[in-house]
Amino acid sequence: GENVEQHPSTLSVQEGDSAVIKCTYSDSASNYFPWYKQELGKRPQLIIDIRSNVGEKKDQRIAVTLNKTAKHFSLHITETQPEDSAVYFCAATDSGSARQLTFGSGTQLTVLP
Amino acid sequence: ETGVTQTPRHLVMGMTNKKSLKCEQHLGHNAMYWYKQSAKKPLELMFVYSLEERVENNSVPSRFSPECPNSSHLFLHLHTLQPEDSALYLCASSQDYRGNTEAFFGQGTRLTVV
Repeated sequence: GENVEQHPSTLSVQEGDSAVIKCTYSDSASNYFPWYKQELGKRPQLIIDIRSNVGEKKDQRIAVTLNKTAKHFSLHITETQPEDSAVYFCAATDSGSARQLTFGSGTQLTVLP
Repeated sequence: ETGVTQTPRHLVMGMTNKKSLKCEQHLGHNAMYWYKQSAKKPLELMFVYSLEERVENNSVPSRFSPECPNSSHLFLHLHTLQPEDSALYLCASSQDYRGNTEAFFGQGTRLTVV
């Protein structure tokens, strides 16, 4: 089955700086990679996703990159703001199968004012 | 709001109690899920239902018993739990049960077993 590893487990950045969270996956058949954000006491919510037919996707201050050869993908947040503080989860799956998402262990991001 | 509602938000129960968690979705989705979220661990998928049929059961102990009476409601019946079962239990729904569609989560039930 799929195994997803996520690093770092905690990350602190100064407001305005960039933050990068990295995930690796084991199953070369995986082709769908979403990222979820979970603020303290709230539900996880999808913030961006990428499929294996593209190498990068951007949405305002958030971007995700995918390296299929190395089997890793990363979340990039630029110009961080205090409201970006949350736990971020990566996940992976083979969208052509009935296999469910495998999640990483999460990264606690703290943006310091 | 995402349209997935869970009750109760918090639950404290003894090891000999029986309780149930409830989840309701108003999104017209066909798939519903139970996840367990423990501190510093990945989200653990427990059960998947598609159109009221269970399609996945990830070796969850029998003290957890799911029920899906219709495509909008999902229950998790709890019986003789252990302290290590204390966690946040999240319900989610998606358009279908394949993992490539967005999952909408409820706010979770914080369960404490004493």
